[in-house]
Amino acid sequence: SQELEQSLQSLIVQEGKNLTINCTSSKTLYGLYWYKQKYGEGLIFLMMLQKGGEEKSHEKITAKLDEKKQQSSLHITASQPSHAGIYLCGADGGAQKLVFGQGTRLTINP
Amino acid sequence: GAGVSQSPSNKVTEKGKDVELRCDPISGHTALYWYRQSLGQGLEFLIYFQGNSAPDKSGLPSDRFSAERTGGSVSTLTIQRTQQEDSAVYLCASSLEWGINSPLHFGNGTRLTVT
Repeated sequence: SQELEQSLQSLIVQEGKNLTINCTSSKTLYGLYWYKQKYGEGLIFLMMLQKGGEEKSHEKITAKLDEKKQQSSLHITASQPSHAGIYLCGADGGAQKLVFGQGTRLTINP
Repeated sequence: GAGVSQSPSNKVTEKGKDVELRCDPISGHTALYWYRQSLGQGLEFLIYFQGNSAPDKSGLPSDRFSAERTGGSVSTLTIQRTQQEDSAVYLCASSLEWGINSPLHFGNGTRLTVT
């Protein structure tokens, strides 16, 4: 079955700095979601990537899917306190299950 | 409704009691999912519904867990004889249809504490 790894459990950056969060798959990704979760809340959909080499941006967040479709990255430019939260990648886990990585907790220090 | 609604938002129960968690999906969404998120853990897939049907129940942690969906809308997740290891946040999500092309919309979850 599909497994998604987010090797960074926690990331602390200074406000205004750029950062990248990665998500690696054990198998080819035929579609990948990025979600954000704030404490006590559900997950908020950010972006979906489907094609190798695809890149999407929303405000200061850019997500990419590599050509081999086994790794995705989420890049935040000029980070702000509002970017703080847990970022999770999700994908089709086979057997009609949508699975998620463990998440990367992002803290923005002023 | 405007979003996925879950109730209760918090539930504290004694070990051995049964609990019922409710999920109201976005109107018109045919697919509905239940996940569990334990402290320090990722999202654990439990079960999904296509309409009222749950094709695969193997993700449910034990036979104490059951779920149903009626009228293609509201779903309930029932945990019988709760144990302390059941303590977690239970998240429900819905999507227009099942599949990678249809993003999931999550509720805020039910935080279950078993004492």
